[in-house]
Amino acid sequence: LAKTTQPISMDSYEGQEVNITCSHNNIATNDYITWYQQFPSQGPRFIIQGYKTKVTNEVASLFIPADRKSSTLSLPRVSLSDTAVYYCLVGEGTGGFKTIFGAGTRLFVKA
Amino acid sequence: GAGVSQSPRYKVTKRGQDVALRCDPISGHVSLYWYRQALGQGPEFLTYFNYEAQQDKSGLPNDRFSAERPEGSISTLTIQRTEQRDSAMYRCASSSDRGNSPLHFGNGTRLTVT
Repeated sequence: LAKTTQPISMDSYEGQEVNITCSHNNIATNDYITWYQQFPSQGPRFIIQGYKTKVTNEVASLFIPADRKSSTLSLPRVSLSDTAVYYCLVGEGTGGFKTIFGAGTRLFVKA
Repeated sequence: GAGVSQSPRYKVTKRGQDVALRCDPISGHVSLYWYRQALGQGPEFLTYFNYEAQQDKSGLPNDRFSAERPEGSISTLTIQRTEQRDSAMYRCASSSDRGNSPLHFGNGTRLTVT
């Protein structure tokens, strides 16, 4: 399983765009990149998944360069409610396989 | 169901007692996962099932921990002879197939061993 490295914490202000970068130098050909969000007292929640280039949904964008050794989760115009822990995972999809979470990035959005 | 359901929500037990934690996945979900999460840390993988088959139990800390999913739906995580170090949030997740499906987590069971 590819190991991931992401910042331990980040601070931002309301209305700003936040970019969280995850390194995964040993990503395998069949691996996908998946991000989850976790609020206190809740389980992690799927945000976005991608394989290469760019993926966008109603919540975030995911940018993956050609070598796929890193990825960047982009949260547009964050609000206080985006304060959470964000996990980057790499593996053969998110279902039916051993799925390992790291320590995640704690994002704190200030007013 | 609407989501993954775990019970009990909270469990306080005395050291040495056995506990059984239940997970009711989203209806039709093939894969089911168990995680343990300590405060301030990410979820720690314990084990997972595809249908009723336990595919990987390499994350179970020791032989006091076991899990089953006999009919491919509800799962039970059992901890025998609990110890204080077993205190944690235990989370269950399910996903719809063996492909690239997101994990859907329950709200967890907070286990406290006194």
